[in-house]
Amino acid sequence: AQSVTQLDSQVPVFEEAPVELRCNYSSSVSVYLFWYVQYPNQGLQLLLKYLSGSTLVKGINGFEAEFNKSQTSFHLRKPSVHISDTAEYFCAVSEGGSSNTGKLIFGQGTTLQVKP
Amino acid sequence: DSGVTQTPKHLITATGQRVTLRCSPRSGDLSVYWYQQSLDQGLQFLIQYYNGEERAKGNILERFSAQQFPDLHSELNLSSLELGDSALYFCASSAIYRYSYNEQFFGPGTRLTVL
Repeated sequence: AQSVTQLDSQVPVFEEAPVELRCNYSSSVSVYLFWYVQYPNQGLQLLLKYLSGSTLVKGINGFEAEFNKSQTSFHLRKPSVHISDTAEYFCAVSEGGSSNTGKLIFGQGTTLQVKP
Repeated sequence: DSGVTQTPKHLITATGQRVTLRCSPRSGDLSVYWYQQSLDQGLQFLIQYYNGEERAKGNILERFSAQQFPDLHSELNLSSLELGDSALYFCASSAIYRYSYNEQFFGPGTRLTVL
């Protein structure tokens, strides 16, 4: 079974500063990894995904993440945040390969609060 | 707009009652997933249907059931409601469910409040 741990429940940061949201996962099989964003009163939007290949993946809105297999981590980064990045961010995992049903296992979420 | 629709947007009901949440997937998507988002449990996978058949089950209570109809819309039925069932219920859809990655597109959710 897979599990996901987001190491920070809240991350306050000033506008234009860099940010890193940390995510660790546990799985005995190959996985796909995702970051989703949830703006207030909205559904989930996919920011980026890692399926295979290059360990550095780029997503929408200037976000990127790096897959580290040895450390079982998938941290999300942005070099310069904007007020509009204030939202809840979820790291998620699903099984890869032929046994993939597509179901997502989510972390507890990290609230990114960007201050002016 | 993800193309996934959910109705109703809000639902307020009393303990012991039964409600039905509805989800219409994106055009052409065969797979539907249900997730529950609550303050204490976070975001949890409940159940998945593919072309009318149940394909995966998560932490879904026995009081909850779901089905996917021939037109591919899905309904999540919650019965004998308890205060702890208050949550945001999301539906997501994807094109196919196995052998390769298929992005899930999430609906806006149904917020259920049990009083």
